[in-house]
Amino acid sequence: EPEVTQTPSHQVTQMGQEVILRCVPISNHLYFYWYRQILGQKVEFLVSFYNNEISEKSEIFDDQFSVERPDGSNFTLKIRSTKLEDSAMYFCATSRDRERQPQHFGDGTRLSIL
Amino acid sequence: AQSVAQPEDQVNVAEGNPLTVKCTYSVSGNPYLFWYVQYPNRGLQFLLKYITGDNLVKGSYGFEAEFNKSQTSFHLKKPSALVSDSALYFCAVRDIWGDSNYQLIWGAGTKLIIKP
Repeated sequence: EPEVTQTPSHQVTQMGQEVILRCVPISNHLYFYWYRQILGQKVEFLVSFYNNEISEKSEIFDDQFSVERPDGSNFTLKIRSTKLEDSAMYFCATSRDRERQPQHFGDGTRLSIL
Repeated sequence: AQSVAQPEDQVNVAEGNPLTVKCTYSVSGNPYLFWYVQYPNRGLQFLLKYITGDNLVKGSYGFEAEFNKSQTSFHLKKPSALVSDSALYFCAVRDIWGDSNYQLIWGAGTKLIIKP
């Protein structure tokens, strides 16, 4: 079964540095999402992306965050100037549509800000 | 406002017994409902969904859930629990034809522990 793949699995970064998290979506999926989860707790929506633009974003997704699909395959989340509170698991998810089909999740990137 | 409640942080069940993980929702339109499971150090994995039709839906690993419109609930059930079912379970709802966007609204998660 096709999978969403995320790299790296673990990223350790100094506070204030930029990080880029990468995701390879399932090939026939058109909708892409980023979520974060702190310490195995609640899943927090960050952003959804369709047709090369942001569809929806949450309050968490402020100016330090950005997403893009630079080469037509990878889907990236950039955090410009990381803060300690950005430490979390970041999950990419993709789906075939935005209503009826489930979202398929990658195994996440654990981001640790020092 | 749309919301999902999973009233139990943790559910403990003996292996072989039936299990129920509760979920209630509040939406202004019609709900599309989903259950996901998360094993340690893994992403969320889709279990089942209710879109329309039969209120009882069956999913992966022997799980099922019943949509109850009058009680606005979508409880996850399994007739006989396995130790391997121990994981974190998330309920999510999408509010169709309501005031919301297409975003999934997530419950806080319920930790299911199956004891041998």
